[in-house]
Amino acid sequence: DQQVKQNSPSLSVQEGRISILNCDYTNSMFDYFLWYKKYPAEGPTFLISISSIKDKNEDGRFTVFLNKSAKHLSLHIVPSQPGDSAVYFCAAKGTTSGTYKYIFGTGTRLKVLA
Amino acid sequence: GAGVSQSPRYKVAKRGQDVALRCDPISGHVSLFWYQQALGQGPEFLTYFQNEAQLDKSGLPSDRFFAERPEGSVSTLKIQRTQQEDSAVYLCASSLGGLREQYFGPGTRLTVT
Repeated sequence: DQQVKQNSPSLSVQEGRISILNCDYTNSMFDYFLWYKKYPAEGPTFLISISSIKDKNEDGRFTVFLNKSAKHLSLHIVPSQPGDSAVYFCAAKGTTSGTYKYIFGTGTRLKVLA
Repeated sequence: GAGVSQSPRYKVAKRGQDVALRCDPISGHVSLFWYQQALGQGPEFLTYFQNEAQLDKSGLPSDRFFAERPEGSVSTLKIQRTQQEDSAVYLCASSLGGLREQYFGPGTRLTVT
């Protein structure tokens, strides 16, 4: 039972345009969400996070939007750059659930075309 | 500065062998996580340490998996009597604790033949 889903395994975007990566979750106890980027043969690198008390968080070219009623979050990258080509994972946690577990999605491979 | 390091980077084991995977977290990081990542999947939580205390081992798939962090720094994940389904990348991550950012190591790719 996949509690965090990334339904698009891959996405191609032209350089300079917006990349939108989507993530859905099923567990209403999740209240903290993160996005990671992963290059081949490296561990994931933290990008940005959002708590459920907010619906948007920005950090430079990266913005995460959270729609709690739809149990959906998205990562916007604008403008997209070739160096953004990587696999992106969303992850979720329930901070009041008494668990230390982060649940990851299966990832979306982003290719930014020059 | 030094990040999270893991060794070995690659390990090939014959089915039935025991393996030990090492994680050196960032100095001063209280929290340490182990994850298993199968091909085409996201990282799956295995276990969590706060200093030397193993506070959550709910993700360990069987009693063949054992993790320790005896002095609250270096951690070892041990897999006994390896099976083919144990083939995966094993990732270690450390953080300052709470909801602070996790820093991941490069992983150990385990192949069981």
